[in-house]
This record gives sequence, structure tokens and C-alpha cells, in this order.
Amino acid sequence: SQQGEEDPQALSIQEGENATMNCSYKTSINNLQWYRQNSGRGLVHLILIRSNEREKHSGRLRVTLDTSKKSSSLLITASRAADTASYFCATLTGGTSYGKLTFGQGTILTVHP
Amino acid sequence: GAGVSQSPSNKVTEKGKDVELRCDPISGHTALYWYRQRLGQGLEFLIYFQGNSAPDKSGLPSDRFSAERTGESVSTLTIQRTQQEDSAVYLCASSRSSGRAYEQYFGPGTRLTVT
Repeated sequence: SQQGEEDPQALSIQEGENATMNCSYKTSINNLQWYRQNSGRGLVHLILIRSNEREKHSGRLRVTLDTSKKSSSLLITASRAADTASYFCATLTGGTSYGKLTFGQGTILTVHP
Repeated sequence: GAGVSQSPSNKVTEKGKDVELRCDPISGHTALYWYRQRLGQGLEFLIYFQGNSAPDKSGLPSDRFSAERTGESVSTLTIQRTQQEDSAVYLCASSRSSGRAYEQYFGPGTRLTVT
């Protein structure tokens, strides 16, 4: 079964609006990462947050992590049509900071121009 | 520089045939991963190679699946006696062994269709 579960499954917004996606997981993690996938093919790494961190920023991306609730959120501010893609959270468990990832089901984001 | 490449990009095969999927990781990346993605789903981990260590095969769904890696370069994923439920996109990723080792770089995938 998938470690990460995301909601919403699909999100449709207008350009300029903010998009928020949520991810929940079941077991203790080392870190949590967000990836973007365009057109059902290769994924691109967006941002990582470690288990001892609560918030990270990268450009228009803001990630939060609440380990007590085993949940994370990804906020994309001032969205653009080019942000249209599927977004996946992925968790890393175990004692190292790298290794196999467990992915959520993903959120399909559509940004209308 | 060159990214992760995979071949073929698309493969259509008949049920019961064997298939081989190839992955060329980024040069210098010691870790290599195979994932499977069914339509509309997230990625499922299959197998992970790290340097000369024994591979982590814990995600392989059955003994029809196997993978090899030559040193720290090319990897092949073999599916024997393919079944229709094997239809999916098979994604390969690689990563460094230090620094931003957590960041996985993905190839474009091989879309496998079993008829």
C-alpha cells in the first residue's frame, strides 16, 4: 500500500491563485520530498523537507511538515499555466538520508490561463 | 549534461513474452532505482542498486521480475512471461552517493503495453 496519500486528487484554479496540496503518511520518516510530473512521464524533484524541519521555501514553493499529524502540505503561490502537472509527495524511511522512496497517489493540478 | 535515458520509450508485447527494459543513469551516480507507475497512480518501488552493495529487491512483485546492473552504469529490468497487469510505465532514476544524494533524477520512462 502507498505510504503517502494526497488530497485533493485533482485541483483546478485560475492563473495567479495559490494552490495547496496535502499529503499524509503512515510511518516515521527521514525526509519528505515533493516531485512534479508532466505528461505522465519523468519526475522532477522540487523540494525536500527533513523530519526535524517544519517549513521550507523555494521560490514560489512553500512546504510544511507536521510529524505529529504525519502530514505535509505544498503551497504554490501565484500559480502559472506552466505549473499544470501532477504533484507527488514521496517519503524516505530508514536511517539514511537517501534510498528508495514511497510515493503518494498524486494531485493533478490544472492552472487555467 | 546528459540526463537519465531509458529505452525503448514504448514497448508493445504479447502476453507470455519476455521483455527487457534498459536504463542509462547519469554518469557518476552510484544509486539506481526502478519504479513502476500504473495509469493514474503513484509510483511503486521495484528495486534499488547502491554501488557494490547487494540490491534491495523488496519491491519486485513476483519472480517474473528481475534486474541487473553492470558496475555503476547501465541497468536492465527483465519481465518474463508478461501478463496484462504488467502494463505500466517503468521509470528509472539515479542519484549521487554524497551531497544531495536524496535527489533522484528520473528518466522519461518506458511505456509497456501487454496485449
